[in-house]
Amino acid sequence: GAVVSQHPSRVICKSGTSVKIECRSLDFQATTMFWYRQFPKQSLMLMATSNEGSKATYEQGVEKDKFLINHASLTLSTLTVASAHPEDSSFYICSAREDREKLFFGSGTQLSVL
Amino acid sequence: AQTVTQSQPEMSVQEAETVTLSCTYDTSESDYYLFWYKQPPSRQMILVIRQEAYKQQNATENRFSVNFQKAAKSFSLKISDSQLGDAAMYFCAYRSYQGAQKLVFGQGTRLTINP
Repeated sequence: GAVVSQHPSRVICKSGTSVKIECRSLDFQATTMFWYRQFPKQSLMLMATSNEGSKATYEQGVEKDKFLINHASLTLSTLTVASAHPEDSSFYICSAREDREKLFFGSGTQLSVL
Repeated sequence: AQTVTQSQPEMSVQEAETVTLSCTYDTSESDYYLFWYKQPPSRQMILVIRQEAYKQQNATENRFSVNFQKAAKSFSLKISDSQLGDAAMYFCAYRSYQGAQKLVFGQGTRLTINP
């Protein structure tokens, strides 16, 4: 089956630093990728929808300047958490859509901001 | 906007028994997809089963089956012959047929399997 690689799986950083998370579709072209955030013992909340070659569409309440999304190619989308603070600590998951029928998830990134 | 509700935060079942997880949703759309995802401790999201709203027949995948009641906007998951490996968080999710097709998740149900 299709594989979506998400890297890194875990990152610990100091407050104020920027962190980049990569999401790659390894064996298919993904015109659309989604970024989710999951707090402990909670559900997945959609942050933004990323389309190749265009600006991401952010969900209401998600800061565009804080969570920078780039979908520069059909196989790569990146989420950059700018000037991360402890409240940004969370589990971030990407998913990539191969076509109308198929959607695959990455393995997630645990971000801990000290 | 669509919403998905899972009213059971936690469920437990004896190994080899059957358990049903509940899910209701709200939408004004007529065409859509419904899903059940499993999230084990590894936190990898695993697709369990999918249902297209236009199909009246309930989806089945081995020990997993759904009871899809479109008029009632209900979509429950039945796990038969529960196994220890079924222990996980289970999320019900909705996806529109048109547009961005983003997934809307329910709050999740933590399933424990008792040996």
